[in-house]
Amino acid sequence: EVHLVESGGGLVQPGGSLRLSCAASGFTFNRFWMHWVRQAPGKGLVWLSRISINGSITNYADSVKGRFTISRDNAKNTVYLQMSSLRVEDTAVYYCASPGPIDYWGQGTLVTVSS
Amino acid sequence: SYELTQPPSVSVSPGQTARITCSGDALPEKYAYWYQQKSGQAPALVIYEDNKRPSGIPERFSGSSSGTVATLAISGAQVDDEADYYCYSTDSSGIEVFGGGTKLTVL
Repeated sequence: EVHLVESGGGLVQPGGSLRLSCAASGFTFNRFWMHWVRQAPGKGLVWLSRISINGSITNYADSVKGRFTISRDNAKNTVYLQMSSLRVEDTAVYYCASPGPIDYWGQGTLVTVSS
Repeated sequence: SYELTQPPSVSVSPGQTARITCSGDALPEKYAYWYQQKSGQAPALVIYEDNKRPSGIPERFSGSSSGTVATLAISGAQVDDEADYYCYSTDSSGIEVFGGGTKLTVL
């Protein structure tokens, strides 16, 4: 059975940093691009970033470019999202996912940016 | 930046066909995917590559794409189909994007 389990969310002050992790199991992790998607309370889904199979290619939405960094460790079947210079508007549930014909999603982790 | 445009809401009676559209300039060249999200749950894929159904998705869900508009159709809509629906695709440079979402009401 496939599992994507996000962790690392919590309360952080504006301007602070946080690193999210997503541990994968039940599928061949190193054959899939991995993505991060977020959803602010009561709002829609927003794609944030993706990373290629070997980590050599990364892409970001304009809203997080320069502040967020995606990475992966295929030996640990884990993808990360390092978030810095956090803003109140970054408050959201953060999902890791591998969207596509073979479609995997985690249950999300809540990040709250507030003073 | 690239945008996919969906109507904020669609309402149908049970048994009718619900149609949700998604407009985007790159859709003639890029596939559309459709996700269903029920309250408090992660999104679930209902259509991929414009018109293909994943295993386990009922036949009443179908997708099509023509020009710059992709459409999700739910024939014989049921109360259980009430959810938010999102289209998903990429722009010409490979950046991915979701539409703003459509709240489907079946009553």
